[in-house]
Amino acid sequence: LAKTTQPISMDSYEGQEVNITCSHNNIATNDYITWYQQFPSQGPRFIIQGYKTKVTNEVASLFIPADRKSSTLSLPRVSLSDTAVYYCLVGGGDTDKLIFGTGTRLQVFP
Amino acid sequence: EPEVTQTPSHQVTQMGQEVILRCVPISNHLYFYWYRQILGQKVEFLVSFYNNEISEKSEIFDDQFSVERPDGSNFTLKIRSTKLEDSAMYFCATSGLAEQETQYFGPGTRLLVL
Repeated sequence: LAKTTQPISMDSYEGQEVNITCSHNNIATNDYITWYQQFPSQGPRFIIQGYKTKVTNEVASLFIPADRKSSTLSLPRVSLSDTAVYYCLVGGGDTDKLIFGTGTRLQVFP
Repeated sequence: EPEVTQTPSHQVTQMGQEVILRCVPISNHLYFYWYRQILGQKVEFLVSFYNNEISEKSEIFDDQFSVERPDGSNFTLKIRSTKLEDSAMYFCATSGLAEQETQYFGPGTRLLVL
């Protein structure tokens, strides 16, 4: 399973765009990239998933360069309620188990 | 939006007692998982389950743990003889048939072993 590396923490202010970058140098050909959000004492919540290029949904955008060795989660106009831990996961190829890292703790200030 | 549900939300038990954690998957999902998260630590994979058998399990999932789908709807995790270190949040996740299907997590059960 490809290991992922992401910043431990980030700070932002309400209304700003937040970009969280994740490195996954050893991503396999059949791996997908998935981002989850987790609030304290709650289950991880799916945000977005992609394989290559750009994916956008009502919550976020995911940018994946051609070499797929990294990805960037973009949260437009964050609010206080976006304060959470964000996990980048790579997998879906040979195994379906999810390997969580420590994630990025995003703190949004008013 | 369909959701994974889990019961109970909280469980307090004495060391050595058996506990059963329950999960109701999203209705058309066929892949089931259990994860746990010890306070302040990472979410850890325990086991995956498909077609009434374990697909994969981690080192954490030892003989004290078992899973089953007793009635075709609920998916359960049993811890036979709880230890203090089993105290954690336990999350059930489910996914559909497509290979790259997303895993949807339940709200979790907070287990406290005294």
